[in-house]
Amino acid sequence: QSVLTQPPSVSAAPGQKVTISCSGSSFDIANNYVSWYQQLPGTAPKLLIYDNNKRPSGIPDRFSGSKSGTSATLGITGLQTGDEADYYCGTWDSSLNAGVFGGGTKLTVL
Amino acid sequence: EVQLVESGGGFIQPGGSLRLSCAASGFTSSIYWMHWVRQAPGKGPVWVSCIDGVGGTTRYADSVKGRFTISRDNAKNTLYLQMNSLRAEDTAVYYCTRDFYRGGLDVWGQGTTVTVSS
Repeated sequence: QSVLTQPPSVSAAPGQKVTISCSGSSFDIANNYVSWYQQLPGTAPKLLIYDNNKRPSGIPDRFSGSKSGTSATLGITGLQTGDEADYYCGTWDSSLNAGVFGGGTKLTVL
Repeated sequence: EVQLVESGGGFIQPGGSLRLSCAASGFTSSIYWMHWVRQAPGKGPVWVSCIDGVGGTTRYADSVKGRFTISRDNAKNTLYLQMNSLRAEDTAVYYCTRDFYRGGLDVWGQGTTVTVSS
């Protein structure tokens, strides 16, 4: 069971917008930085968002991140079929003194 | 090209040991925290351990504490994970990854598979 809670799945049509939530606690999200990762089948996770809302070089601005209190949200606009993947949030847990990931959300672009 | 390449995985019986290696190239690894993350078949990634740039500070997941040891040799640009007393639940693909900034893991290796089974 993951420390961070994500919805198991979300779906939307091409061109639409979707948000993926990540719920934590005062020990993790509320007092640490959140990252988001995209994982395509058979590949390593890819960093989409770091420092709560920043995009690494090469990540399109269709991807955005936000954080409020004990929750974080990944937003994806202009959905493309290539966005179909598993998405994970990650942060540090100050009580465990360890990194933690969410359980993952499978995005389907209908 | 910035790259991480893991090696050392394999098939091992419960109670056995393995040492994973992760060779870094294309960047000065000594200025970055480095992490190991594992992923069991069909499951999400799970954080395992991390180490600071000089190797003086380490952290471990409770599930591996006392059994796994992370270390690094900056002269060789290599990260290690010594895994002892292996259990079936340690079966996973093990990735090494670079902590770019504030926990953002921006460079990942291709992973090395560890299978613990009798």
